[in-house]
Amino acid sequence: QKEVEQDPGPLSVPEGAIVSLNCTYSNSAFQYFMWYRQYSRKGPELLMYTYSSGNKEDGRFTAQVDKSSKYISLFIRDSQPSDSATYLCAMETGSYIPTFGRGTSLIVHP
Amino acid sequence: GAVVSQHPSWVICKSGTSVKIECRSLDFQATTMFWYRQFPKQSLMLMATSNEGSKATYEQGVEKDKFLINHASLTLSTLTVTSAHPEDSSFYICSASAQGAAFFGQGTRLTVV
Repeated sequence: QKEVEQDPGPLSVPEGAIVSLNCTYSNSAFQYFMWYRQYSRKGPELLMYTYSSGNKEDGRFTAQVDKSSKYISLFIRDSQPSDSATYLCAMETGSYIPTFGRGTSLIVHP
Repeated sequence: GAVVSQHPSWVICKSGTSVKIECRSLDFQATTMFWYRQFPKQSLMLMATSNEGSKATYEQGVEKDKFLINHASLTLSTLTVTSAHPEDSSFYICSASAQGAAFFGQGTRLTVV
């Protein structure tokens, strides 16, 4: 079993839909949780960063962490075609060396 | 957020030559930087951890003599792919941590012909 599991997709949704992206993990030492967006042939861009359990909202994005279930989510409201990208979850123990999921490919069609 | 700049964004080189990739932290000092390799539709694979003023730490299976890392200052780390071969063609990305999160460079697409 990998430390971080993430469905690669692709996930295809219509414009305006609410998107739910998820990761599960097995290492209970993970304390910091991140979501990155990666466009093709570009480096990952940090979207959300959370510490411990709870919700964090930033514009159309909401990150949710449930440490008891070892489950994190990223919600995108009012999705746009420009949101089409690969979304990577990442988590770390505080060592500054993140462990990444394999990424979920999201396609938002007009 | 913190800015990490990587150069070049793409490079084509002949088999047997060496290629240097630079990674700079523009608005913060990074004692540690990381180098990743990414294959199409795959996640990031950590190659090595670059430490300022000391030797890099390589992940298992990564040839240290082939992928030379130098971290001479708090804002610059370089990755040199020596005697490149077509199988080294890939997308290389650096990152540095600031404010508790990892920030990535734009990536370098290396094609060895």
